[in-house]
Amino acid sequence: DTEVTQTPKHLVMGMTNKKSLKCEQHMGHRAMYWYKQKAKKPPELMFVYSYEKLSINESVPSRFSPECPNSSLLNLHLHALQPEDSALYLCASSPRTGGSGANVLTFGAGSRLTVL
Amino acid sequence: QKEVEQNSGPLSVPEGAIASLNCTYSDRGSQSFFWYRQYSGKSPELIMFIYSNGDKEDGRFTAQLNKASQYVSLLIRDSQPSDSATYLCAVIKAGGTSYGKLTFGQGTILTVHP
Repeated sequence: DTEVTQTPKHLVMGMTNKKSLKCEQHMGHRAMYWYKQKAKKPPELMFVYSYEKLSINESVPSRFSPECPNSSLLNLHLHALQPEDSALYLCASSPRTGGSGANVLTFGAGSRLTVL
Repeated sequence: QKEVEQNSGPLSVPEGAIASLNCTYSDRGSQSFFWYRQYSGKSPELIMFIYSNGDKEDGRFTAQLNKASQYVSLLIRDSQPSDSATYLCAVIKAGGTSYGKLTFGQGTILTVHP
């Protein structure tokens, strides 16, 4: 299995809603990532988990709350979002963090979020 | 200065031609370099990575790295209309507080016309 699976594919929520994005991989990877991508822009890193511990938080607002329950799962909990948070949210995994050339990130198909 | 810079294009080449995509990076501590392709509305998919100076070939794709010039490029030979996409250059740093962070350039839009 060489896939990263994200659910849901599409999500529409109001500014007062609480929702979650889910990500799963079964490649034995120990690093997992959340990226945010706006239209016609490159992906921007939000969070990195290494061995189930949060290792990088790119000063993301607290209305985004990541969770890594185990080595295969990554969640992004959403609460009180703003319309400008509408974007494609990409999950990725890699064997580990670090600069090794073999540490390739594999991306999921993404969850397209619309905040009304 | 942006960490990773690419010409946004669009770059238009005829079918069968060589497409040349370029990327420069600012941090000499950068260790690994990646090229991803992204079709509209889809997620990035890896084309290839390189971490040693020189050329690396994979089918119709060749990545070139020059660390002294802080420059990495991607050549696509025999370009096909299906190669039309946004090509993202990405860089991982080797250390510091951004250890393991994959940073993307703005992407180059490539159009291959029949």
